[in-house]
Formats: sequence, C-alpha cells, structure tokens
Amino acid sequence: DTAVSQTPKYLVTQMGNDKSIKCEQNLGHDTMYWYKQDSKKFLKIMFSYNNKELIINETVPNRFSPKSPDKAHLNLHINSLELGDSAVYFCASSQERPYGYTFGSGTRLTVV
Amino acid sequence: DQQVKQNSPSLSVQEGRISILNCDYTNSMFDYFLWYKKYPAEGPTFLISISSIKDKNEDGRFTVFLNKSAKHLSLHIVPSQPGDSAVYFCAFSGGSNYKLTFGKGTLLTVNP
Repeated sequence: DTAVSQTPKYLVTQMGNDKSIKCEQNLGHDTMYWYKQDSKKFLKIMFSYNNKELIINETVPNRFSPKSPDKAHLNLHINSLELGDSAVYFCASSQERPYGYTFGSGTRLTVV
Repeated sequence: DQQVKQNSPSLSVQEGRISILNCDYTNSMFDYFLWYKKYPAEGPTFLISISSIKDKNEDGRFTVFLNKSAKHLSLHIVPSQPGDSAVYFCAFSGGSNYKLTFGKGTLLTVNP
C-alpha cells in the first residue's frame, strides 16, 4: 500500500535510447511532480501537474515529456537519452499547503 | 539558482546531544518553510514545517526556527538518536503553485 510508487527503481540504458518512468499515487492528491537529483545532490523540480494540467515546466530539454492520463498518474518519457541524464528521478504528490510533498522512492537512471 | 544555501554538507553529533541544522535563503517571496529527511535509497520524507507568520514550530524532538529578518531557517533535534542519521533537506515555497525549492542537504550522523 505504498502511497507514491515509481517504477522501475533502477534503469540502465544506452545513449540514444528512449525510456519511460511511471509514477502512481493513491493519496487522492491533486498535484504531482517530477524532481531530478543530480550528482551534486541538488533536488530540482522538472514538472508539475495539477488535475492533469501542466502547471510547472522548468527549463528542461524537450527530450523530456511528462504525461498525466489522470490525476493519480504522472509518467516521464525521455527521448534520445544522454550521459548527462544520469540521475535519480523522484516523483511526488501533494495536496494544498501546509502539507508537504509525499515522495516516491526514486528511480536511479544510468545512461552508458 | 542559489536561492537556498545549506552550507554544511555534514554534521556529526553524539547520541543524546542537540543537532542543529541550518539553511539560509535569499528569496523574500518564500512564505512556507519545510524540512525533509532522507535515508539512502528512499525518497525524502516530510518532517516539519513552519509558515512565515510564525518563528517557531515544535513537534516532539524536532523544532524549526525561522528568522525572517536574517532569512535563516534552522532545525533542532533534541535529544539526537542514532535513527536520526540521514540527509536533511530544507525546502522553501512561495506563491500558489506549490513548487518547493530544496537545499543541497546535510548528512547528519548521530554516534551511539
């Protein structure tokens, strides 16, 4: 009964491939996010959806495309993977403040 | 984008003593402040928060202090326990889109 679940947990792939990471939350939250934690350990927001509508789109290469089929799911598709895409990607969800985010356990992506 | 600075990459304390973790911020629009805790191979988990109208919030062994004039946020853990050993991130929010801006994290080690 994990609240925010991401799959896969680990992903090793070659440069140039296309891959997807899936995220689902069963908390009934309206807003979902993708964050990237790079080698310098910064957690940086990439995208946010509220009720299937894109509300945050930070400066992210357009090789990254989020898709939200419903408010419980937010998937991340990455085209033409590059070495610099190697990172841990976290999905999260939230309701209105003052509550914080609930994070998934992360997907470690390694591009070789 | 250095709106948030968590300048101590690591902190080591003895069990039973106080742990003090610090963050500084520059963005005056931040009005909600949070701390997250992260164990290896897991996602960050929400710990405690404070809004800009307060200067202190307590939850058991954890107390968050906000000094708005100095733009400084701190987390006190008393007494520290070995299970508190983790990476602690400060996070900041401002505006209506619920975006959180994270610090780089501080690795806390509590020695038995």
